Amino acid sequence: DAGITQSPRHKVTETGTPVTLRCHQTENHRYMYWYRQDPGHGLRLIHYSYGVKDTDKGEVSDGYSVSRSKTEDFLLTLESATSSQTSVYFCAIRDLSRDTNNEQFFGPGTRLTVL
Amino acid sequence: SQKIEQNSEALNIQEGKTATLTCNYTNYSPAYLQWYRQDPGRGPVFLLLIRENEKEKRKERLKVTFDTTLKQSLFHITASQPADSATYLCALQHGSSNTGKLIFGQGTTLQVKP
Repeated sequence: DAGITQSPRHKVTETGTPVTLRCHQTENHRYMYWYRQDPGHGLRLIHYSYGVKDTDKGEVSDGYSVSRSKTEDFLLTLESATSSQTSVYFCAIRDLSRDTNNEQFFGPGTRLTVL
Repeated sequence: SQKIEQNSEALNIQEGKTATLTCNYTNYSPAYLQWYRQDPGRGPVFLLLIRENEKEKRKERLKVTFDTTLKQSLFHITASQPADSATYLCALQHGSSNTGKLIFGQGTTLQVKP
């Protein structure tokens, strides 16, 4: 399972509060990704990282920020949560040691509800 | 804009039959295409990757085809089993291949009945 954990696994929060989701990996992978998954939209990329302190935006980055101060941790922050950010959030890593070089391994997900 | 479409309706088949799932895309020429399996409440799991210069890829009971002219991939599960019931996602390379970014379809839910 590529040693990926996400925390918390479930969270309920109120509109306007800050929220930080954590993705932790144990295998020193360079690339990490944050997705959200919603009915009717599938998985959409929020932000990704290609190394410590190296991050870039995905297709739905508005309202989200990320940080990567250590190889093993990739944090996703909702500065001021809104109801539209209620979703299931998945973290993934890209395993460059594989022949395909491009397959991604996903964490178990965090279910976030913003009331 | 780039768009990926998968059968939105669930696919119901009888055990032992071959399941065929479709992934169509527009406005893009990806270097590779991937298929993932997702079970309820869990993250997607990688199954197969096929490159633009490959017509077909197989892995056990799975077969993927990639037609860059039709802009379509077909995903086949032969001798299907109830344990194959899940949602299957196709994903395309998005932007430069260096980034590893993917764009996903919405997924097709497969139900295999005993």
